Amino acid sequence: EDQVTQSPEALRLQEGESSSLNCSYTVSGLRGLFWYRQDPGKGPEFLFTLYSAGEEKEKERLKATLTKKESFLHITAPKPEDSATYLCAVQESGAAGNKLTFGGGTRVLVKP
Amino acid sequence: EAQVTQNPRYLITVTGKKLTVTCSQNMNHEYMSWYRQDPGLGLRQIYYSMNVEVTDKGDVPEGYKVSRKEKRNFPLILESPSPNQTSLYFCASRRTHGLETQYFGPGTRLLVL
Repeated sequence: EDQVTQSPEALRLQEGESSSLNCSYTVSGLRGLFWYRQDPGKGPEFLFTLYSAGEEKEKERLKATLTKKESFLHITAPKPEDSATYLCAVQESGAAGNKLTFGGGTRVLVKP
Repeated sequence: EAQVTQNPRYLITVTGKKLTVTCSQNMNHEYMSWYRQDPGLGLRQIYYSMNVEVTDKGDVPEGYKVSRKEKRNFPLILESPSPNQTSLYFCASRRTHGLETQYFGPGTRLLVL
């Protein structure tokens, strides 16, 4: 069974204090890995898609990387507006309906 | 503006009273899906639809029904809601082919008493 585990569950950072979030996964064949940001009371908002090991993508202070077993979301010099829950999801090759399997998320709080 | 809309956003009901949560998208997406989000359990897929008149079960379909009569709409039906269906529900859509981005609606918070 597909499994996606995110760590840590929660992260408290000072403004400017860089850190990384981890998403580890076990699937028989990865079709794609997705990162989403979710603000309280809102739907997840798409950030990145990674397709193969070694790939990296960046957006403002966020950078996502992918290996064969895990992905990292690096937050560089975070600001309070980066506070949110970050969700990771994987899509397995041949999955019925191209289903996304989500991790539990990492709640990030950035204090000024 | 490209979006997925859901109604209602908040709903309080009682056990056994049938309810429908509507979902609509304006992006001409073939694929639509319903998720529930619970603390500690993350987002779990309830049902999905690959296209009009094509629906299938996700991971947690018990107690739910869906229909896909039109491409833009994908209502979620709870025929006899129970307290364990109290949750935050999200509708999502995307194109079927390839690794397309999935867009989520704003969510419906349901409380079943």
